[in-house]
Amino acid sequence: GAGVSQSPSNKVTEKGKDVELRCDPISGHTALYWYRQSLGQGLEFLIYFQGNSAPDKSGLPSDRFSAERTGGSVSTLTIQRTQQEDSAVYLCASSSLNQPQHFGDGTRLSIL
Amino acid sequence: KQEVTQIPAALSVPEGENLVLNCSFTDSAIYNLQWFRQDPGKGLTSLLLIQSSQREQTSGRLNASLDKSSGRSTLYIAASQPGDSATYLCAVVSSGTYKYIFGTGTRLKVLA
Repeated sequence: GAGVSQSPSNKVTEKGKDVELRCDPISGHTALYWYRQSLGQGLEFLIYFQGNSAPDKSGLPSDRFSAERTGGSVSTLTIQRTQQEDSAVYLCASSSLNQPQHFGDGTRLSIL
Repeated sequence: KQEVTQIPAALSVPEGENLVLNCSFTDSAIYNLQWFRQDPGKGLTSLLLIQSSQREQTSGRLNASLDKSSGRSTLYIAASQPGDSATYLCAVVSSGTYKYIFGTGTRLKVLA
């Protein structure tokens, strides 16, 4: 079966532009996570969706970051007015409750 | 606040050696602990998931142990191969949350 799919795989944009990153989780997985991985850094938790519950947004670094999960499936992470420090790899993962997380290959975002 | 540390940060070994990677965490009230590998430019691949009630998990040449009281986990790799070269990350979920906290990883290189 298909794994977690993220698009685009690479995104280069100018400072100040808005970007949208997409994640297609594994079908049936109720949990979806977004992480950010900066060069030489560990994974930084951004946001967590579980079923129909309110998302845990405690990891979002600023109000320029937002995420949605429509119909309990596809999720989009939006970064408004991008800054150079937003450059990183953005990883999405999905899982069933208390089961291993499955990761996509990430979107490499570069802000010029 | 849960903090996860991995030692060593980097390791280089000749092929065939058995090796141990270490992970420590500051809050022993965890739900589970997961070990991942990450290949360059890729997402994370789950290796082993240890529930809080378990002491170890095994998969092939990999064995992960968990000692909650001391806040430690080890990943044992037997008879290492060049294909094992990757970054290995551990992550914990604290009780009462679904948020994974990651260590910064151990970068392993197995020399042929």
